[in-house]
This record gives sequence, structure tokens and C-alpha cells, in this order.
Amino acid sequence: DAGVTQSPTHLIKTRGQQVTLRCSPKSGHDTVSWYQQALGQGPQFIFQYYEEEERQRGNFPDRFSGHQFPNYSSELNVNALLLGDSALYLCASSLYTGYEQYFGPGTRLTVT
Amino acid sequence: GESVGLHLPTLSVQEGDNSIINCAYSNSASDYFIWYKQESGKGPQFIIDIRSNMDKRQGQRVTVLLNKTVKHLSLQIAATQPGDSAVYFCAENPRDNFNKFYFGSGTKLNVKP
Repeated sequence: DAGVTQSPTHLIKTRGQQVTLRCSPKSGHDTVSWYQQALGQGPQFIFQYYEEEERQRGNFPDRFSGHQFPNYSSELNVNALLLGDSALYLCASSLYTGYEQYFGPGTRLTVT
Repeated sequence: GESVGLHLPTLSVQEGDNSIINCAYSNSASDYFIWYKQESGKGPQFIIDIRSNMDKRQGQRVTVLLNKTVKHLSLQIAATQPGDSAVYFCAENPRDNFNKFYFGSGTKLNVKP
């Protein structure tokens, strides 16, 4: 049973560019949440997708957007990248009606 | 916003000893908590969870204690092993806020051989 997978593993972008990160949830899970983890900090909730809609959102600007596909996989898009967007981006999957949440390995984004 | 904090940023223990990692949370409405282990370069790994209607829950070598009176959570690791070296996070989930978790900044556990 595959766990949560994310791609790419690492990514380097320039300020002002746009980036798309991808996530496939654990088999049987229908909800995907995205988190940003700065170096030395705990993960910060960005948003959550269920039934292809954004259900909850954390304190992140509109430059951060997402999408969920019918197969439950998800994308995180960040526009107009800033240096401060450099972080580990984590995807977590769960059942919408449940609580246990499992994380993927993350995508390390570096903005130069 | 929510505040989930940890008392000690770094904890060093001898191999074979028991470890206790503490966490304070601020939202008395939180009703579900998870402890995660994060090794370098990896995503957080689910260790154990507990609901607010429980005071204690045990897993394999790990025990989580919840004290709702003082809003305190702890993770106890028995017979700590070198493979337990990692950063440990507690995460809280406010009631009716499915799967939106608030994390603290983590405690780094160093296990000395």
C-alpha cells in the first residue's frame, strides 16, 4: 500500500516565478492538506481540499492556490515567488470524516 | 491563531533510558492530538494520537499523556534507541476543524550511545 507521495523532491526557482507541486494521497484517503515548513519550525497549515474544493485555509496569501483532482491527488501552486517562500512543502492525506493524518516526504523549494 | 509550544527545544538522553517530551497547547477546545516524529530530510511520521476524552494512550514503546486541566501533553518513549533520534512535534486539532492541525516548533531528541 503506497503512502503519500510528492513530486518533485527538490526544486529551485527564481523570485517572481511560479511553481506547481504535486501530491498523491495514501490509498483510501479523500482529503489532502498542504503545509509549509520553514527551517527549524513546525509545519504551518496552508489549506485543505476535499471533493475538489478548498475546505479550510490557513493564514497564507492568495498567491498560494491549489487544486484537487477526481482521483484525490492534489496540486499546490505558488505565484510570484518570494525569497521567504523557500521551505519544505508537505502534503498530508486523511479521510475527511477521520482524524489520522499521514504526511508525504515533502518538496524542498528554494527561491533565489 | 493557535499556539502549540514545547518546553524544551533539545533533549539529550542515554541509550536505554526513558525519554519524556512535553508540549503545551493553548486551545481548550482542541479535542484531538497527534505526536509526530520527523527525521532529517523526511516528512513527519505519525507516532501516536489521543482524543480529549482520554488521559493516556499506549503504543509500542510510546505513551502519550494528556492533562486537559493544564493543557499539557507529553510523549514518553521507553528504552530510547539511537533510531529514536529525531525532532518530535505535537499537533492539536480544534474541535469541528477536521484535519486542520496546529504544530509547535518541535523538540530535538538526541540519543547518546
